[in-house]
Amino acid sequence: EVQVVESGGGSVQPGRSLRLSCATSGFKFDDYAMHWVRQLPGKGLEWVSGISWNSGRIAYADSVKGRFTISRDNAKNSLYLQMNSLRTEDTALYYCAKDLMTTIPWSQVFDYWGQGTLVTVSS
Amino acid sequence: QSVLTQPPSASGTPGQTITISCSGSNSNIGSYPVNWYQQLPGTAPKLLIYTNNQRPSGVPDRFSGSKSGTSASLAISGLQSEDEADYYCAAWHDRLNGVVFGGGTKLTVL
Repeated sequence: EVQVVESGGGSVQPGRSLRLSCATSGFKFDDYAMHWVRQLPGKGLEWVSGISWNSGRIAYADSVKGRFTISRDNAKNSLYLQMNSLRTEDTALYYCAKDLMTTIPWSQVFDYWGQGTLVTVSS
Repeated sequence: QSVLTQPPSASGTPGQTITISCSGSNSNIGSYPVNWYQQLPGTAPKLLIYTNNQRPSGVPDRFSGSKSGTSASLAISGLQSEDEADYYCAAWHDRLNGVVFGGGTKLTVL
């Protein structure tokens, strides 16, 4: 059974940093791209970042480019999101999502999602 | 303002067929496949339709997707109360070099 579990969320002041983690199991992690998607409170979905199976291709939404860094550790079956210079508008539920296909670099289809970890940025 | 445009709400009665539209441009839907996600209240999104019209295993065939030009549609036939959820379309956007979502459509089963 595929499992995706996010952690690391919390409350932080504007300008500070936070690191999210996503632990996975039940599939061959190093075969698949992974993504972060966020949902602002009561709002829709926003793709944040994606990383290919070997970290060879990485992309970010314009809203987080230069502030967030996605990474993965295939030996630990884990995905990460380092969030620096946080802003109030980064307040959201952050989901980790698995890519559907073992295509290079990704299919941008998210077939398994975690339950999310809440990040609140407030002074 | 979302890059992909969806109606904010839709409704139908049990047994009816409803359609949710998703409008984009040549930079996204016009050039790339469309995917649809269902988000039941208080839960994480779930993949409903991928590559325009493909259903993952376990998704009932009451759900179907289509695409034409720069627009896509999700149809739900034989509407059931458990279909009450938010529905999102998504596609790759080449100029933004990222995935873009529609604003979501809240489906109410009357």
